[in-house]
Amino acid sequence: DAGVIQSPRHEVTEMGQEVTLRCKPISGHNSLFWYRQTMMRGLELLIYFNNNVPIDDSGMPEDRFSAKMPNASFSTLKIQPSEPRDSAVYFCASSKWTGTTNTIYFGEGSWLTVV
Amino acid sequence: AQKVTQAQTEISVVEKEDVTLDCVYETRDTTYYLFWYKQPPSGELVFLIRRNSFDEQNEISGRYSWNFQKSTSSFNFTITASQVVDSAVYFCALSEASGATNKLIFGTGTLLAVQP
Repeated sequence: DAGVIQSPRHEVTEMGQEVTLRCKPISGHNSLFWYRQTMMRGLELLIYFNNNVPIDDSGMPEDRFSAKMPNASFSTLKIQPSEPRDSAVYFCASSKWTGTTNTIYFGEGSWLTVV
Repeated sequence: AQKVTQAQTEISVVEKEDVTLDCVYETRDTTYYLFWYKQPPSGELVFLIRRNSFDEQNEISGRYSWNFQKSTSSFNFTITASQVVDSAVYFCALSEASGATNKLIFGTGTLLAVQP
């Protein structure tokens, strides 16, 4: 079975440019998460969706960040404009929410470098 | 508030040694889930185990074993006869069982280096 698929795997961009990260969750999963990993802050939750609806975006660092989930099989995380401090690994993850906690599976991550 | 503490930042062992990674958690929930994930040098996050707060039985999977003790709020992970391929960062995580979803709160991770 296909896991969580993220693209691009690596991106290097210049400060001020728009960055769009993409995610395809595991088929049948109805919860989707965006995490960011940095040396300073570790793994932090940015936003999560249930049934395509954003439930909690309190982890989104600022207005430059936005996330969408137009359908059950696709989500984007956009940074506009990007800054060097946004350099991190961005993980997308999904799970099947059935009213109780289920395992969350992660994609391979998108490694973003903003220069 | 929920919190996961992995006090060991780095551990270095020699191959075939046993090693235990500590995890202590805080939560006000009576029902919750605990997880361990492995992040090898290639960077992906690999799920290892999920444990319900009602199930305090220890679990063994090959060379891996987990000791869940509710009385001390700990969920420790032991690798027996470690191998070089075990070298990775290991994350402990906590998730509440109530609420609309099951977001994970991660510890800061323990870097395990297994020397040949």
